[in-house]
Amino acid sequence: AQRVTQPEKLLSVFKGAPVELKCNYSYSGSPELFWYVQYSRQRLQLLLRHISRESIKGFTADLNKGETSFHLKKPFAQEEDSAMYYCALSGTGANNLFFGTGTRLTVIP
Amino acid sequence: GAVVSQHPSRVICKSGTSVKIECRSLDFQATTMFWYRQFPKQSLMLMATSNEGSKATYEQGVEKDKFLINHASLTLSTLTVTSAHPEDSSFYICSATGGTSGGLYNEQFFGPGTRLTVL
Repeated sequence: AQRVTQPEKLLSVFKGAPVELKCNYSYSGSPELFWYVQYSRQRLQLLLRHISRESIKGFTADLNKGETSFHLKKPFAQEEDSAMYYCALSGTGANNLFFGTGTRLTVIP
Repeated sequence: GAVVSQHPSRVICKSGTSVKIECRSLDFQATTMFWYRQFPKQSLMLMATSNEGSKATYEQGVEKDKFLINHASLTLSTLTVTSAHPEDSSFYICSATGGTSGGLYNEQFFGPGTRLTVL
């Protein structure tokens, strides 16, 4: 069975500081990993996916199969990054998602 | 970008009544739609996956007779909570995708959610 774990429910950092949101997963096959973000009063939206290997809004995430992790990182946090972040997993060839419990990031001015 | 709408955004009903929630893809054809449930301060839990013209696939522990899902067209899926009870009160979110392509995941586009309160 698949599982996505986000150990931190809340994370606060100062503006300009580096930020890392942790995500660990368990899955028997080769999963696809995603980060979704939900800004205040907005709907959930895709931030990035591991297969794209791209940086979105300064965020990057590397899939580490050895550690089964997909941590989200940004070197310099901005106030507008304050939001709820969800790590999600999809099985190979499937298009349904399983979400972690989410981490609420607050960037302090 | 692709837009998914939900109606109503908020509904309050009496215990024992049924409530229908609509999910529409406004500018694309959604071959697959998903229904999630989110409890306060908790994650989204996938309830079911529905493909247009087919019966929905329910996740373990979700009562299919309780949560009726219909995906009659490529732009509309409905979730009907039958004989609602206070424990059904929750935030229900739908998402839609154009399907899979070559085994790669196609992005899910999420609706804004529907807050159901059962008195």
